[in-house]
Amino acid sequence: NAGVTQTPKFQVLKTGQSMTLQCAQDMNHEYMSWYRQDPGMGLRLIHYSVGAGITDQGEVPNGYNVSRSTTEDFPLRLLSAAPSQTSVYFCASSGAAGELFFGEGSRLTVL
Amino acid sequence: SQQGEEDPQALSIQEGENATMNCSYKTSINNLQWYRQNSGRGLVHLILIRSNEREKHSGRLRVTLDTSKKSSSLLITASRAADTASYFCATDEAYNFNKFYFGSGTKLNVKP
Repeated sequence: NAGVTQTPKFQVLKTGQSMTLQCAQDMNHEYMSWYRQDPGMGLRLIHYSVGAGITDQGEVPNGYNVSRSTTEDFPLRLLSAAPSQTSVYFCASSGAAGELFFGEGSRLTVL
Repeated sequence: SQQGEEDPQALSIQEGENATMNCSYKTSINNLQWYRQNSGRGLVHLILIRSNEREKHSGRLRVTLDTSKKSSSLLITASRAADTASYFCATDEAYNFNKFYFGSGTKLNVKP
């Protein structure tokens, strides 16, 4: 039972490059979300989705795009990376009980 | 922002002692959750308490919720070295249970 799987685990980008962080869950959860974690600031919600075809913005959505074409996958796209996007990114999913299941994180450095 | 605030930011205790950490939030909620994060890992769900509940237990964990003060506390009894981790509270919003807000966490160190 894999749970929530994030790839890649580590990535280094140059300013202006684009990339996609992948997130997949095998628990048939309708709700999925992306967070970033910066030192001393806890987790901040970037985008979330309550089902296939439905996405909405969180606290810090600027610079990020998402889409939800299937229940299982929720990729996060950085269109033009900036040093301020250096962070650890977590994907999470949730079922009817409301508890979040997190992936192991993707560590992104933008030079 | 709804983001919660944990207190203290760091806590160091001896094995066997109890650890108490607090969380305050700003607006009405449906539920409040506590999570643990071991260094460099993803967060793990510990316990969920709904807005109409005042206290909840799970093993060595005891959570209280005071909605009038917009605060919650997490008590870990008889702590172990393996409890060393960061602990976060997470809240939703009363009118949008799809948005979760996390505090900045309490870093707990349990010395053997």
